[in-house]
Amino acid sequence: GNSVTQMEGPVTLSEEAFLTINCTYTATGYPSLFWYVQYPGEGLQLLLKATKADDKGSNKGFEATYRKETTSFHLEKGSVQVSDSAVYFCALLYNQGGKLIFGQGTELSVKP
Amino acid sequence: GAVVSQHPSWVICKSGTSVKIECRSLDFQATTMFWYRQFPKQSLMLMATSNEGSKATYEQGVEKDKFLINHASLTLSTLTVTSAHPEDSSFYICSSWGEREGPYEQYFGPGTRLTVT
Repeated sequence: GNSVTQMEGPVTLSEEAFLTINCTYTATGYPSLFWYVQYPGEGLQLLLKATKADDKGSNKGFEATYRKETTSFHLEKGSVQVSDSAVYFCALLYNQGGKLIFGQGTELSVKP
Repeated sequence: GAVVSQHPSWVICKSGTSVKIECRSLDFQATTMFWYRQFPKQSLMLMATSNEGSKATYEQGVEKDKFLINHASLTLSTLTVTSAHPEDSSFYICSSWGEREGPYEQYFGPGTRLTVT
């Protein structure tokens, strides 16, 4: 079946450090891939997305490339800030009624 | 600002009582809404798909008689947890696909924290 696997958290980094959060997926066909972010006390927000192989999604300094050959969609940011502290979810969309399948989430904590 | 609202944001109820959670799309029409459950430090688990004017579609393992979903209008879906028990304590989140200023995307409500004592 379809599934998403993320690296386990929590991830703790110092400000301005490089961030990578790994995400791999299993899916039939060609799903769209997403990263969502959940700040403390808030709902999930779309961070970026990619709809086909080799697409790169980017937003707020974050980026992720849809790699079909490795079935991955790793999230990266060159220099994290304290305000990036949140939980990040990788997700895939398959066509059965627009349902998203989420990874388990990775908590990021950035220290000043 | 928020495009999907939920009410209440948190609720405490006694075991055996029922609790209703509302999910509203604020500035777009939502023919389909999704209800998720999120346990602490865990992912979102899709419970059901709520369709305006018709019956909800439940995911495998979700008790439809326990989690009643009503989607009576294009902007409102409700989830009622009937005869709640402590194991139903969780964070419930709704979402809907919508097209507002930008491309079609899924918007999430802020969630409702349910605690059953």
